[in-house]
Amino acid sequence: GENVEQHPSTLSVQEGDSAVIKCTYSDSASNYFPWYKQELGKGPQLIIDIRSNVGEKKDQRIAVTLNKTAKHFSLHITETQPEDSAVYFCAATDPTGYSTLTFGKGTMLLVSP
Amino acid sequence: NAGVTQTPKFRVLKTGQSMTLLCAQDMNHEYMYWYRQDPGMGLRLIHYSVGEGTTAKGEVPDGYNVSRLKKQNFLLGLESAAPSQTSVYFCASSYRQGSYTFGSGTRLTVV
Repeated sequence: GENVEQHPSTLSVQEGDSAVIKCTYSDSASNYFPWYKQELGKGPQLIIDIRSNVGEKKDQRIAVTLNKTAKHFSLHITETQPEDSAVYFCAATDPTGYSTLTFGKGTMLLVSP
Repeated sequence: NAGVTQTPKFRVLKTGQSMTLLCAQDMNHEYMYWYRQDPGMGLRLIHYSVGEGTTAKGEVPDGYNVSRLKKQNFLLGLESAAPSQTSVYFCASSYRQGSYTFGSGTRLTVV
């Protein structure tokens, strides 16, 4: 099955700085890569996703890049704000069976004022 | 719309007891999933369903059973709870190969 590695496990930045979270996946057949944000005591919420036929996607302060050759994708958050503090998960579709999502272990992002 | 609703939100069980977690979605999604979340382990797939009356095993299915008798509901059962099943359980739903919508979770403690 698919294996997703996520780094770093924790990330501390100052308000206004940029934050980058990186993930690698193992199966070259994976074709869908979402990112989720989880606030304390809540379920994960989709913030951005990218499909394998696209190299980059942006949504205001958030962007995701995908390098299919290296099997690597990243989340970029610019002009971070304290409300960006949360746990972020990357995921990739497991192409065997019904394309269920395999998640990374998560990154705790702390944005200090 | 309520989205994905999980009940209960919290539960404490004694070892060997049984219980059922209920997940309900009102988005007419075909696919439904149960994940467990443990510190440092991310989200791991327990079981999933691709339509009414179907179920399939995920990465960590042992000790759990599921049923999908109605399209909008997905039940997760623990027949004989063990301390290793202490976790936060999340249900999610999606269209085929679409993004997931998660519920708010059930925090289960087995003592």
